[in-house]
Amino acid sequence: DADVTQTPRNRITKTGKRIMLECSQTKGHDRMYWYRQDPGLGLRLIYYSFDVKDINKGEISDGYSVSRQAQAKFSLSLESAIPNQTALYFCATSDGGKALQETQYFGPGTRLLVL
Amino acid sequence: QKEVEQDPGPLSVPEGAIVSLNCTYSNSAFQYFMWYRQYSRKGPELLMYTYSSGNKEDGRFTAQVDKSSKYISLFIRDSQPSDSATYLCATAGGYNKLIFGAGTRLAVHP
Repeated sequence: DADVTQTPRNRITKTGKRIMLECSQTKGHDRMYWYRQDPGLGLRLIYYSFDVKDINKGEISDGYSVSRQAQAKFSLSLESAIPNQTALYFCATSDGGKALQETQYFGPGTRLLVL
Repeated sequence: QKEVEQDPGPLSVPEGAIVSLNCTYSNSAFQYFMWYRQYSRKGPELLMYTYSSGNKEDGRFTAQVDKSSKYISLFIRDSQPSDSATYLCATAGGYNKLIFGAGTRLAVHP
């Protein structure tokens, strides 16, 4: 079984709809991240969480919210989806590692299309 | 100016070629650099990392950092079709947050 799973893998929704993307991990890591990937822009950090009680905004948090339900679960919500939120979304985890030497482990991604 | 710049390609090479993938970065305080590989319809996975200046070799892959010019390189020797993927450079941007380049799409054709 995959260490980092994301559901759904693909989703089509309409402008204005609320949508939730879910991430689960079995790696036992404390740190979890949500990124979006757009062609030519690479991976951009939306939110990150270093433990269940710690939630932080990333580079592009506007229009998104998150919930860390447990160490293993981190959900990303789009309260009112808009077309420019069409992207590939990745969840990642890490154990922190040594200072600056962090390896992040990514899920398979969710492809979201907002019409 | 983006903190990490990477030419998105695509780059197409014949099997057996030496591939050079490159990034530049803007902040001289960055010390830890990574290369992630992303196959189509998959999440990125760490390929190599290197600390500060110098080279690091792992099989057919060599990661190189030139701090004087703020240049990061990944060399692939004897490239194979299985190396076809998007390669993303990244650096630790402080407080364990990674900053990624845009990714370079590589195609190795038989």
